[in-house]
Amino acid sequence: GAGVSQSPRYKVTKRGQDVALRCDPISGHVSLYWYRQALGQGPEFLTYFNYEAQQDKSGLPNDRFSAERPEGSISTLTIQRTEQRDSAMYRCASTRTSGSNTHNEQFFGPGTRLTVL
Amino acid sequence: AQKITQTQPGMFVQEKEAVTLDCTYDTSDPSYGLFWYKQPSSGEMIFLIYQGSYDQQNATEGRYSLNFQKARKSANLVISASQLGDSAMYFCAMSSGSARQLTFGSGTQLTVLP
Repeated sequence: GAGVSQSPRYKVTKRGQDVALRCDPISGHVSLYWYRQALGQGPEFLTYFNYEAQQDKSGLPNDRFSAERPEGSISTLTIQRTEQRDSAMYRCASTRTSGSNTHNEQFFGPGTRLTVL
Repeated sequence: AQKITQTQPGMFVQEKEAVTLDCTYDTSDPSYGLFWYKQPSSGEMIFLIYQGSYDQQNATEGRYSLNFQKARKSANLVISASQLGDSAMYFCAMSSGSARQLTFGSGTQLTVLP
């Protein structure tokens, strides 16, 4: 079946512009996660959803970052008034269950490479 | 707080030999999961292997095995019979307690030499 998809794959924007990054998880996957990965480093958690409910947004750097998953499937990460320090790879991942007794592997999308000029 | 430490920024191994990539973790939760991901130069994140904190046996997946030493809080990845295609960045990660997000280490860049 299809994996996690993200769009756009590359986004170049000017400082101060808003950007919206899209994630389409594996069909039927309950949980969806957003991470940010700087070059040469491991991904860092931003936020996650179970179905349409945002469970944890403690990793969002500031209030310019927001995310939604209104119908429990596709999710959008929005960055308002972008700054150069926002340049990074933004990755989405999904898992099939949200059970409290399980630690499931997360399947990652290809990422969106954001460059803020 | 959760923490993953990978102390080997880079490793080299001869083709067909085995290699061990180190990972230590820190968590106060009794329930946690440990994961290894491979990131080739193409940039994708590929899940390799998983070990649960309550699992009695070390996890194995083909040429990958996880050397889980709970008392030492280590979860080293062993790759047997290395292949040129194994050259990549390898990340150790953990989820613990009720938090389901992954905490990643800084990664180890593995280079397999012909």
